[in-house]
Amino acid sequence: EAGVAQSPRYKIIEKRQSVAFWCNPISGHATLYWYQQILGQGPKLLIQFQNNGVVDDSQLPKDRFSAERLKGVDSTLKIQPAKLEDSAVYLCASSFGQGFYEQYFGPGTRLTVT
Amino acid sequence: GQQLNQSPQSMFIQEGEDVSMNCTSSSIFNTWLWYKQDPGEGPVLLIALYKAGELTSNGRLTAQFGITRKDSFLNISASIPSDVGIYFCAGLPTDSWGKLQFGAGTQVVVTP
Repeated sequence: EAGVAQSPRYKIIEKRQSVAFWCNPISGHATLYWYQQILGQGPKLLIQFQNNGVVDDSQLPKDRFSAERLKGVDSTLKIQPAKLEDSAVYLCASSFGQGFYEQYFGPGTRLTVT
Repeated sequence: GQQLNQSPQSMFIQEGEDVSMNCTSSSIFNTWLWYKQDPGEGPVLLIALYKAGELTSNGRLTAQFGITRKDSFLNISASIPSDVGIYFCAGLPTDSWGKLQFGAGTQVVVTP
């Protein structure tokens, strides 16, 4: 069974530029999560989707971050404009659905903002 | 907000030794998950716990869901070099709709 796919794996941009990350969850998983992991810390949830609807985006900086999951499968996370403090690993995870709490992570995208 | 306290922050052990780490919370959790993260990779799920007092093993790994529902423990027996990595606990507070909270991680270094 294929795992969670993410691309790109690495990205370097200058501050004020925009960037987008892509995630394809495990086939059949209805719930998709985007996390931000700053060096030395555990992952922090940014947004949670159930199919193509948003369940929780309370920790998403909506002035610069946006995410969508239009067809309820793959998802994109965008940052525009980027700030230095956005340098982190962005992890995508998926789970089977509501009530299934085991989340499976992709390899992440390491973003460096200079 | 709620916080998970994971300890120790790091451990330097010799190959063959046993490793213990734990997570505590001020709130009651319904689920505890333990993950391992290697450099440059995403966290990999090791063990999931769903009931207070539950003790679950996965090879040389054993995890327990504390009876107070506010803590969890992970033990690694007879450590080997590939056990090196960062171990994270993650807990699911009641009524959180799948919103996991992660500890800050325990870095394990195994020396031959």
